[in-house]
Amino acid sequence: DAKTTQPTSMDCAEGRAANLPCNHSTISGNEYVYWYRQIHSQGPQYIIHGLKNNETNEMASLIITEDRKSSTLILPHATLRDTAVYYCIAFLSGGYQKVTFGTGTKLQVIP
Amino acid sequence: DVKVTQSSRYLVKRTGEKVFLECVQDMDHENMFWYRQDPGLGLRLIYFSYDVKMKEKGDIPEGYSVSREKKERFSLILESASTNQTSMYLCASSRGGRGSYEQYFGPGTRLTVT
Repeated sequence: DAKTTQPTSMDCAEGRAANLPCNHSTISGNEYVYWYRQIHSQGPQYIIHGLKNNETNEMASLIITEDRKSSTLILPHATLRDTAVYYCIAFLSGGYQKVTFGTGTKLQVIP
Repeated sequence: DVKVTQSSRYLVKRTGEKVFLECVQDMDHENMFWYRQDPGLGLRLIYFSYDVKMKEKGDIPEGYSVSREKKERFSLILESASTNQTSMYLCASSRGGRGSYEQYFGPGTRLTVT
């Protein structure tokens, strides 16, 4: 699995877009980029994933650069409930899904 | 609704005790995982299982074993608990086979070994 690098922490004003970057410069062609978040005292929750194209769902948007070496998770209108640790991970599709989570980015949404 | 449940939310055990952490999923998932989470270290994979009776070591398997006798249940066993196994333990499951599938996590068990 490709190693990912994320900033340790970020702040975002409530109502503004939160843009969380992730570097995965060693990602291979068939490794997906996944994003999860973990709200305090709960298990991680899946947000979104993508391979090459940008993706959007009801929670967030995922922008993957053309060379796939980095990506950005966008929360379009951050709320206080979005305060959490966000994990970016990359792993191969198919077969055994051994996944390694790093330490993630602690996002603090400020009123 | 997708559901992964863990047998206890909080557990206190003594050093040397044998500890069982149970995880059950109701989604007919092939893959199941056990992680531990410690401050500053993120989530670290202990073991995972891709089928009944099948298991693979993760990044930190020492001091742990697992059992998967039924598809829906994955147990983590601490044969002789030690204080350095005090941690939050998280179970997860996902679909198997070809393709890329998200993991669903349980609420976690906070284990304290005294």
